[in-house]
Amino acid sequence: ETGVTQSPTHLIKTRGQQVTLRCSSQSGHNTVSWYQQALGQGPQFIFQYYREEENGRGNFPPRFSGLQFPNYSSELNVNALELDDSALYLCASSFETGDGLFFGEGSRLTVL
Amino acid sequence: QKEVEQDPGPLSVPEGAIVSLNCTYSNSAFQYFMWYRQYSRKGPELLMYTYSSGNKEDGRFTAQVDKSSKYISLFIRDSQPSDSATYLCAMKQQTGANNLFFGTGTRLTVIP
Repeated sequence: ETGVTQSPTHLIKTRGQQVTLRCSSQSGHNTVSWYQQALGQGPQFIFQYYREEENGRGNFPPRFSGLQFPNYSSELNVNALELDDSALYLCASSFETGDGLFFGEGSRLTVL
Repeated sequence: QKEVEQDPGPLSVPEGAIVSLNCTYSNSAFQYFMWYRQYSRKGPELLMYTYSSGNKEDGRFTAQVDKSSKYISLFIRDSQPSDSATYLCAMKQQTGANNLFFGTGTRLTVIP
């Protein structure tokens, strides 16, 4: 069974740029969620995708957007990067929305 | 006031000690409670998943939920140096949503 995989693991961007982060769900999982974890904080919910539709969103502005593909893989896009966007971005998958979430290792974004 | 409060520690214990980790919460609608372990620069790993009040045991780990007090705990028996990590509590309102609310995490060090 393949777990949740994310890419890239690390990246550096400058303020105002755009970034795309990618996630492959764990085998058998059809729901994917994205979380932002700032240093020393717990993860914060960005949004969730189910059957290629966004069906839940946290308190994040529209410049955070996403996609889910038919194979259940997903992308997180962030436009107009700000310094405060520097964080670990975590993808998590589940089957439907039951049980716990299973997280990937994360993509660490640094915005300079 | 944050919806989930967790003492960030750090907490240091000798090997073999019993560790008690706790979270309090304010939203009485939370129904599902989780504990995650996060090693440095890694994604969170699901340890325990419980529904409503009561106890759940898995090996050296015991999770307790007291909904009347809005208080959850994780006990680790016979702690090992490999248990050194940050422990995050998380909770959600219903099965139809993966919007987990996390505590800030407690950093635990088990000293050999």
